[in-house]
Amino acid sequence: EDKVVQSPLSLVVHEGDTVTLNCSYEVTNFRSLLWYKQEKKAPTFLFMLTSSGIEKKSGRLSSILDKKELFSILNITATQTGDSAVYLCAVEANAGNMLTFGGGTRLMVKP
Amino acid sequence: DAGITQSPRHKVTETGTPVTLRCHQTENHRYMYWYRQDPGHGLRLIHYSYGVKDTDKGEVSDGYSVSRSKTEDFLLTLESATSSQTSVYFCAISERTHIGLYFGPGTRLTVT
Repeated sequence: EDKVVQSPLSLVVHEGDTVTLNCSYEVTNFRSLLWYKQEKKAPTFLFMLTSSGIEKKSGRLSSILDKKELFSILNITATQTGDSAVYLCAVEANAGNMLTFGGGTRLMVKP
Repeated sequence: DAGITQSPRHKVTETGTPVTLRCHQTENHRYMYWYRQDPGHGLRLIHYSYGVKDTDKGEVSDGYSVSRSKTEDFLLTLESATSSQTSVYFCAISERTHIGLYFGPGTRLTVT
């Protein structure tokens, strides 16, 4: 059974801090890993990673994949209150081409 | 935002009643999905569709059925709702299978 585990479950930081969110996975025939941000409603897409060691960046957010150690991290630098959300990691595996989501990390950024 | 709407947005129903949730898209995407989101379980795929009248089961399909008679509409039916189906239901669409999902606003369903 495919499995995706995110840590920590929740995190409280202050504006300006840097945070690192973790996603580890055990899946059959890995194809890609995706990060989503979920505020009060629907998840919105952040990154898709398919190759090890290549960092994806979007403003203050960046993510990298390690296919050997089977994990990914999502970094957010100079956090802002608007970064408060649940961050979801999902892995696409070849078995049925379905996405398996982790349980999410709830980030709260205090002013 | 991708053109996805869900209806109803909130519903309270009694155990044993049938319930149908509707997802409507204006993006003409081929793939449509129904997920449920529960605390401690993340998002789990119920059913998905890869074209009109073409559907397949996801991870948690028991107790649910779907239909897609038009590209833009994907219906999720709970034939006889149970309390374990209390959840937030998200519809999603994509151009490629399971990748680049755009999610709808969600439907909060409570089964009493």
